[in-house]
Amino acid sequence: DIVMTQSPDSLAVSLGERATIDCKSSQTVLYSSNNKNYLAWYQQRPGQPPKLLIYWASTREAGVPDRFSGSGSGTDFTLTISSLQAEDVAVYYCQQYYTTPWTFGQGTKVEIK
Amino acid sequence: QVQLQESGPGLVNPSETLSLTCAVSGYSISNGYFWGWIRQAPGKGLEWIGSLYHGGSTYSNPSLKSRLTISEDTSKNQFSLKLSSVTAADTAVYYCARHGDISGNYYPFDYWGQGTLVTVSS
Repeated sequence: DIVMTQSPDSLAVSLGERATIDCKSSQTVLYSSNNKNYLAWYQQRPGQPPKLLIYWASTREAGVPDRFSGSGSGTDFTLTISSLQAEDVAVYYCQQYYTTPWTFGQGTKVEIK
Repeated sequence: QVQLQESGPGLVNPSETLSLTCAVSGYSISNGYFWGWIRQAPGKGLEWIGSLYHGGSTYSNPSLKSRLTISEDTSKNQFSLKLSSVTAADTAVYYCARHGDISGNYYPFDYWGQGTLVTVSS
């Protein structure tokens, strides 16, 4: 199985400041034949199902604010919230869809400082 | 708009079989995509359980494969999960979700149900 490891487990950021979450996979999720990273990011607010934010490591899902961005390739990825808003308080998960079993990171809880 | 809704018992006795159904509206499950189950134990992260692709292809998490059955009912546009020999460790919110694309390529989970809490207890 591909193990996804996120860091940190939690972080507190002031409103308007930048939040950065890292995700590392135990093996590459870059498919060489199409040069795509099979890596997604989700946001889960309390009591809600996860919401897809980013796929192919850096492509925003329709309707996702542009303060959310993804970067990285191979085994190392980053989700950045450029200017934290109150509604961004949530747990964020990375997920690889390169191969089964599809696996998630353990989650990173983002709070307001 | 694609919508998914889980249903099933909220309480299951240990050693028995957990059964859930996911009703899909706004899209025909016969028209491609993967249809999957993910669970989240209280206060924990997300675990993919298994998925099916129309026509009978199923994909299971190896950690659950021996206890897992996923099936579809295209006449009702729904798919189902059966997990046998449950223990307290199977207590979780169970989500159904769509992923992949119409041709069976891999894409992340884009539409989710609201989830249903299943507690395993006598």
